[in-house]
Amino acid sequence: ETGVTQSPTHLIKTRGQQVTLRCSSQSGHNTVSWYQQALGQGPQFIFQYYREEENGRGNFPPRFSGLQFPNYSSELNVNALELDDSALYLCASSLLRPGKGNYNEQFFGPGTRLTVL
Amino acid sequence: AQTVTQSQPEMSVQEAETVTLSCTYDTSESDYYLFWYKQPPSRQMILVIRQEAYKQQNATENRFSVNFQKAAKSFSLKISDSQLGDAAMYFCALALLGGFKTIFGAGTRLFVKA
Repeated sequence: ETGVTQSPTHLIKTRGQQVTLRCSSQSGHNTVSWYQQALGQGPQFIFQYYREEENGRGNFPPRFSGLQFPNYSSELNVNALELDDSALYLCASSLLRPGKGNYNEQFFGPGTRLTVL
Repeated sequence: AQTVTQSQPEMSVQEAETVTLSCTYDTSESDYYLFWYKQPPSRQMILVIRQEAYKQQNATENRFSVNFQKAAKSFSLKISDSQLGDAAMYFCALALLGGFKTIFGAGTRLFVKA
């Protein structure tokens, strides 16, 4: 069973540029969530994708967007990068079974460290 | 809105001893899950222990146990027989039943002294 993988490991961009981060979900999972973890802080929820549709979104501007593909892998795109976007970006996959009351354990990837200069 | 607060930025424990990490949370919902995650320097977030809010019995996983006080909205983690490999950032987190996001605290950095 393959775990959650993310690429690239590290990335350096300049202000105003655009970036794409990638995540491959764990085998059998259908849901991917993205989190931003600034230095010294806990992860903050960006959004979640379930069956290629956005399933929920945190308090992030529209320049943060995502995609989920038929194989359930996912991309996080950030446009017009700002210095404050420098952070560790974590991806987590889970198996979502529709209906209230289901617990969907999240399995995290190792993250992508983004530095914006 | 839900919040999770960890009031201890850093904690230190001697190897083989016991340490307790504190967490308080706030939610108006009655059905939720609480978690403790460990994040070592490798950055990978690892689930340590999970507690369902409807269960009164405190969860235990080997050397890790929790003290869940629902009325006080408190969820502390006790690590017994601390090992050098326990050194990491520990995050307390909350997820609503059927919800789509997990809310994390700011974390507590645990140092283990040999």
